[in-house]
Amino acid sequence: EVQLVESGGGLVQPGWSLRLSCAASGFTLDDYAMHWVRQAPGRGLEWVSSISWNGNSVAYADSVKGRFTISRDNAKNSLYLRMNSLAAEDTAFYYCAKDIASSSWRYFDHWGLGTLVTVSS
Amino acid sequence: ESVLTQSPGTLSLFPGERATLSCRASQSIRSNYLAWYQQKPGQAPRLLIYGASNRATGISDRFSGSGSGTDFTLTISRLEPEDFAVYYCQQYGSAPPITFGQGTRLEIE
Repeated sequence: EVQLVESGGGLVQPGWSLRLSCAASGFTLDDYAMHWVRQAPGRGLEWVSSISWNGNSVAYADSVKGRFTISRDNAKNSLYLRMNSLAAEDTAFYYCAKDIASSSWRYFDHWGLGTLVTVSS
Repeated sequence: ESVLTQSPGTLSLFPGERATLSCRASQSIRSNYLAWYQQKPGQAPRLLIYGASNRATGISDRFSGSGSGTDFTLTISRLEPEDFAVYYCQQYGSAPPITFGQGTRLEIE
């Protein structure tokens, strides 16, 4: 059974940094591209970032470009999101999502339960 | 960037009725690369439809997707109580960026 478990969320002050992790199990991580998608409380879904199976190709939403960095460690079955210069508008549930493809961005057939990031002073 | 607009914002129906949800794109979606997701309160989204009309594994045949180009539809026949949720469309024909519609809330009348 495919499982994605996010961790690392919490309450931080504006300008601080945070690193999210996603532990994958039940499938071979290095066969698939992976993504981060966020959802502000009571709002819709927003794509954040994507990474190809080997990490050689990454993409970011304009709203996080230059502040967030996506990475992966296939040997550890893990996906990461480093978030710098956090602002109130980054407050959201952050979901890890599995693509159905390895190198191109498609759609998400499995999602984690999410981790909440709250940015507030 | 392809902007997706979903309508209506909220749809109120009775169990047993048919639901028709719309997703319109600001530009034609290549190869009909459009997916639909269902999200219930406190849960992660669940994939329903990909490629505009293909049901994901384990999805009831009461769910069907159609459309092409810029206009897409998710139809739920014979609504069951568990179908009342928020539905999102997502395009992957011109990614990045991947974009989502703003969602349609399907509520019990």
